[in-house]
Amino acid sequence: DQQVKQNSPSLSVQEGRISILNCDYTNSMFDYFLWYKKYPAEGPTFLISISSIKDKNEDGRFTVFLNKSAKHLSLHIVPSQPGDSAVYFCAASRGTYKYIFGTGTRLKVLA
Amino acid sequence: NAGVMQNPRHLVRRRGQEARLRCSPMKGHSHVYWYRQLPEEGLKFMVYLQKENIIDESGMPKERFSAEFPKEGPSILRIQQVVRGDSAAYFCASSPLTGEQYFGPGTRLTVT
Repeated sequence: DQQVKQNSPSLSVQEGRISILNCDYTNSMFDYFLWYKKYPAEGPTFLISISSIKDKNEDGRFTVFLNKSAKHLSLHIVPSQPGDSAVYFCAASRGTYKYIFGTGTRLKVLA
Repeated sequence: NAGVMQNPRHLVRRRGQEARLRCSPMKGHSHVYWYRQLPEEGLKFMVYLQKENIIDESGMPKERFSAEFPKEGPSILRIQQVVRGDSAAYFCASSPLTGEQYFGPGTRLTVT
């Protein structure tokens, strides 16, 4: 039972444009959500998080939006840069430690 | 400030052998987590430990897998009598009392 789903395995975006990565979840008890970025042969790197009491969190070029009624979150990267090319994982938890990860979306930013 | 360290980075074992994976958390972090990533899948939670205590091992297979985080030294994930299905990337993460988990580079285990 996949509680966190990333339905797009890959996404290509032109440099300078917006990248939008999507994530859906099924467990309404999740109260904390995160995005990680992963390069090949490296561990995931924390990007940004949001708690369920908010609907938006911004950090530089990265913004996460949370729609609790739709059980959907998205990560916006503006402007996209070639160095952003990586696999992006969303994760959710109830409480703060047992992260449930999606299967990832491979983002390719074209120069 | 060094990040989370894992060794070895790559480990090859024959079926039936034991695998030991080590994880040194970031300085100041007392919480350690182990995750497993199978090919084309997301990371799956295995176990959460604090010093000398297993807090949550609900993601660990019931047999052959064990984890520890002793008072001194790194956390160890131990897999006995490995099988081909154990081939995966194993990631360790650490965190302070509250806050996000920071991941190590992973150990890629290959069982031949």
